[in-house]
Amino acid sequence: ETGVTQTPRHLVMGMTNKKSLKCEQHLGHNAMYWYKQSAKKPLELMFVYNFKEQTENNSVPSRFSPECPNSSHLFLHLHTLQPEDSALYLCASSQDRRGANNEQFFGPGTRLTVL
Amino acid sequence: TQLLEQSPQFLSIQEGENLTVYCNSSSVFSSLQWYRQEPGEGPVLLVTVVTGGEVKKLKRLTFQFGDARKDSSLHITAAQPGDTGLYLCAGGNALVGNQFYFGTGTSLTVIP
Repeated sequence: ETGVTQTPRHLVMGMTNKKSLKCEQHLGHNAMYWYKQSAKKPLELMFVYNFKEQTENNSVPSRFSPECPNSSHLFLHLHTLQPEDSALYLCASSQDRRGANNEQFFGPGTRLTVL
Repeated sequence: TQLLEQSPQFLSIQEGENLTVYCNSSSVFSSLQWYRQEPGEGPVLLVTVVTGGEVKKLKRLTFQFGDARKDSSLHITAAQPGDTGLYLCAGGNALVGNQFYFGTGTSLTVIP
């Protein structure tokens, strides 16, 4: 495996379900990100981890819970979601969150539908 | 939040035509990036520009950063069907820990 991988690629869940999204990067990077991409809206940064420490939480509702057990893996735990949370969830990584220019490498995303 | 507006939002052109897409903001950025996102995939970085007035070329793609570092343009010459995708600009601000703010995107379709 190379680059950034995400599983599952598609997920349909009810509002009472609990599920988790997984991201893995094989690039030796130290920063990982979760983004939400909705139709007709800019990419929204949700969480940032740098060297396994959460450095940013952009006012994300508590029904989204990130976990970063090591620099290569990032999870997004989901519970009691709302239909408006349906979107493409993208994971990205970069060498270091504080680095100038900070090129980010994105995974293919998980298409989430909340019924 | 530093808003970046992209125009046009949608663009459909014939193969071989030229096009320009724009990325505008009222905020000054330390650097600006352009990404292309193909259906079913994540965005892929095309270029980073860091100096006001800077022009970078990538084959048939020409990127320009505005003199005041508030705007940018992407010009494609002789568009090909392989250029089809969502083009995203992202402005970086070193004063906010190099956080990048993404634009609204331009969806380009090149018809063979």
